[in-house]
Amino acid sequence: DAGVIQSPRHEVTEMGQEVTLRCKPISGHDYLFWYRQTMMRGLELLIYFNNNVPIDDSGMPEDRFSAKMPNASFSTLKIQPSEPRDSAVYFCASSLRVTVILPSGELFFGEGSRLTVL
Amino acid sequence: SQQGEEDPQALSIQEGENATMNCSYKTSINNLQWYRQNSGRGLVHLILIRSNEREKHSGRLRVTLDTSKKSSSLLITASRAADTASYFCATPPGGSYIPTFGRGTSLIVHP
Repeated sequence: DAGVIQSPRHEVTEMGQEVTLRCKPISGHDYLFWYRQTMMRGLELLIYFNNNVPIDDSGMPEDRFSAKMPNASFSTLKIQPSEPRDSAVYFCASSLRVTVILPSGELFFGEGSRLTVL
Repeated sequence: SQQGEEDPQALSIQEGENATMNCSYKTSINNLQWYRQNSGRGLVHLILIRSNEREKHSGRLRVTLDTSKKSSSLLITASRAADTASYFCATPPGGSYIPTFGRGTSLIVHP
């Protein structure tokens, strides 16, 4: 398996522009997570999906952020309009079903999308 | 909010020495995981220890868990320059199975 695939790896844009980050999870994984990593705040969970359904988006910073998962093999994280404080590395991760009987929860991360908003 | 916090924030050692990193967390957990992140890369899962386990080994890694103190430690024995990376603990807050991460320990191993 190719692992979790994210694109683009690097994005430089100007304030006010729309940014779309893409993620292809590992085939067969039920959960998909979007994290944001900055020096100041560390690794923050933004939103996660289970079977393509958003379960918890309480980590999404504000309405400028939105995430979708139209099918089991694709998810997007969109920022519109972007601001300089959105500059960060955005990670997508996926995992198998997590239950009381199988409380694994091991996450498989992509290589991240480094976003710079000027 | 962050469930776990690693200590120290940074650690610098010589090749061949052992490296110990600690993680403290706030609420009861089902399991605790350790991840490694090389510079500019994504996180990679190292080891998972369940709440009913006290110690676990994987190659040169040894993880301990003390649920009474809400703490865990990661020991890397006979460190190598290639172990240079940031190390994160991940714990699902009580009642959840979704891991949240600390800020990590930055380990530098000098050849």
